[in-house]
This record gives sequence, C-alpha cells and structure tokens, in this order.
Amino acid sequence: GQQLNQSPQSMFIQEGEDVSMNCTSSSIFNTWLWYKQDPGEGPVLLIALYKAGELTSNGRLTAQFGITRKDSFLNISASIPSDVGIYFCAGQLPTGANNLFFGTGTRLTVIP
Amino acid sequence: GAGVSQSPSNKVTEKGKDVELRCDPISGHTALYWYRQSLGQGLEFLIYFQGNSAPDKSGLPSDRFSAERTGGSVSTLTIQRTQQEDSAVYLCASSLKINRGREKLFFGSGTQLSVL
Repeated sequence: GQQLNQSPQSMFIQEGEDVSMNCTSSSIFNTWLWYKQDPGEGPVLLIALYKAGELTSNGRLTAQFGITRKDSFLNISASIPSDVGIYFCAGQLPTGANNLFFGTGTRLTVIP
Repeated sequence: GAGVSQSPSNKVTEKGKDVELRCDPISGHTALYWYRQSLGQGLEFLIYFQGNSAPDKSGLPSDRFSAERTGGSVSTLTIQRTQQEDSAVYLCASSLKINRGREKLFFGSGTQLSVL
C-alpha cells in the first residue's frame, strides 16, 4: 500500500502552546482527512480537505492541503488538556477501489 | 443508530478459540472497512467491502481471518483458532462513496480483543 509519513510520532507540550504535525507522501492525493482518536474510542473525523492549497479551520484546528497534493499539515492553537490523543492523517488517491491510506499517527500529550 | 456500531465492545477468549466481531455500519453507507490497531499503534488495514464488488482482502494477516458482509449492510469479522498476537482493537468504519476520491470514513468504537 501507499506510505504516508506522519510526523512527529509523539509530542509533549505545555497547555496553551500551539501544535503542528504533518503528513507527506510520494503519491498525489485527491483528499486529505485528519482524525483524532481518544483512548478507548474509534477515530473521529476533524477536518476534510479536497483541493490543493485549501486551508480549513475547525475551531482551534487548522489544516491545509499542500500545493503539491503530496502533503498536509494540521495545526492546533492554544492547546488544552482535552486535545490529548492520537491524531491520524489519511490520504485518498483519485482512483482505485480501496484507495484510502492512513498515517502512523501523532500521539499528543498536553501537560497542564 | 446514527453511527457505526460494533459489538462486543470487549471480548476475552482463550487461545485456540474462534471469535466473531460484528459491525453495523451507518445506514446507506456502501463501503465498509475493518482495521486492526495494536496497543499504541496505527491503523492496520484488514479488509474492504464496496457495494456488490468482490472485497479487497489484501490486508488479512492469515487464513485464520475472514469477513463477510451480508445484504450489503452488517459485517462479521471471524478469527479462527485465535493466537495471543491477535490481541488488539478491531475497528470498523463505513463511508458513503459518492464522488471518487472524496470519501469520509466514520469509525465505530472498536472491539477490544484479548486472547489469553
């Protein structure tokens, strides 16, 4: 399958700090999705991006679809303790039946 | 219900026994995925169903794993002769594939499988 490189693998930050994570691929994607997984739960969709260069916000979260269509980033501003969890990116190829691929996840810890 | 429902939420079994995990996707969703997530790890793709097409089984780790989707809705993942390395969270997700390349997956809460 496709390789999505997600970084960093883990982050420890102080409450109130901003966070940035990204995903890169060697393939061109049509869609980038960002998910958050709380302990004991399934991943929940945060933001969906469909166009190169698109910048979308959801509260304190902002994500961008890279111009090359091979990368995406997610920023979290003014982190709070409930931001703790694992964040996954997912990219979708323009063709193919099973064409959605997930990154390896970024584990975020927020220190109060 | 409104979301993807998985049952049981927890399953403890003895090595060598068979287990069945169930997924009820969101009504009307044509695509259904199974993933496996080991402790603290990422999502490992297992199998994908889309409408009436043949499923993509390329992620199944061994022939002890199988899945079916009856009537294009409910899916069952079966693990035969379970091994301790099968212990993980098994996640199901569904989506409505309308436009090619514009898909949103919605996940269930998973089944935590523990093989003793």
